[in-house]
Amino acid sequence: EAQVTQNPRYLITVTGKKLTVTCSQNMNHEYMSWYRQDPGLGLRQIYYSMNVEVTDKGDVPEGYKVSRKEKRNFPLILESPSPNQTSLYFCASSLRAGKNIQYFGAGTRLSVL
Amino acid sequence: GQQVMQIPQYQHVQEGEDFTTYCNSSTTLSNIQWYKQRPGGHPVFLIQLVKSGEVKKQKRLTFQFGEAKKNSSLHITATQTTDVGTYFCAGSGTYKYIFGTGTRLKVLA
Repeated sequence: EAQVTQNPRYLITVTGKKLTVTCSQNMNHEYMSWYRQDPGLGLRQIYYSMNVEVTDKGDVPEGYKVSRKEKRNFPLILESPSPNQTSLYFCASSLRAGKNIQYFGAGTRLSVL
Repeated sequence: GQQVMQIPQYQHVQEGEDFTTYCNSSTTLSNIQWYKQRPGGHPVFLIQLVKSGEVKKQKRLTFQFGEAKKNSSLHITATQTTDVGTYFCAGSGTYKYIFGTGTRLKVLA
């Protein structure tokens, strides 16, 4: 079954404790992306990757890191989480950037205390 | 930077009433996509519009792309309780996607 898998689904952590949210897709998609969703602000793109070893900043990259060592995986890293990073996070993938359908993971709800 | 606004932010309708959400971009879009997110779920692709003035229909849903390719709308005829959720438009550049702020629809039975 074609899917985008995120883990964990829920995470509560404390300020400053490094964490990683994993994302994996099994569709051989070139393009992957991370979004955060906050009430009234919609979905905002954090980082995206056009292909292996090629990543770039989205609209809200501050406080986040990503890597794309393999085509299927695109982890989101919070080196020193802060309370303003409490949000709902979605990973998405598409065949390529631009005019392609994005497939979203189920989401990760993160609370930073 | 490029912004995509959606109105209204919320809409409550009685079942059977029509519903429309509007999407407006500050710049010309090469294409626009629409997604639906059910409560507690993730965004799911509905449709993509590419051509100026394009109109597409999916059963009770009608999607339009403006002539100037800066605005779009989604119209639902005779809403049902299954239409509940948040509807997002998204414009894409070469590599980036810009999502609208979303319209949350509640349907009262």
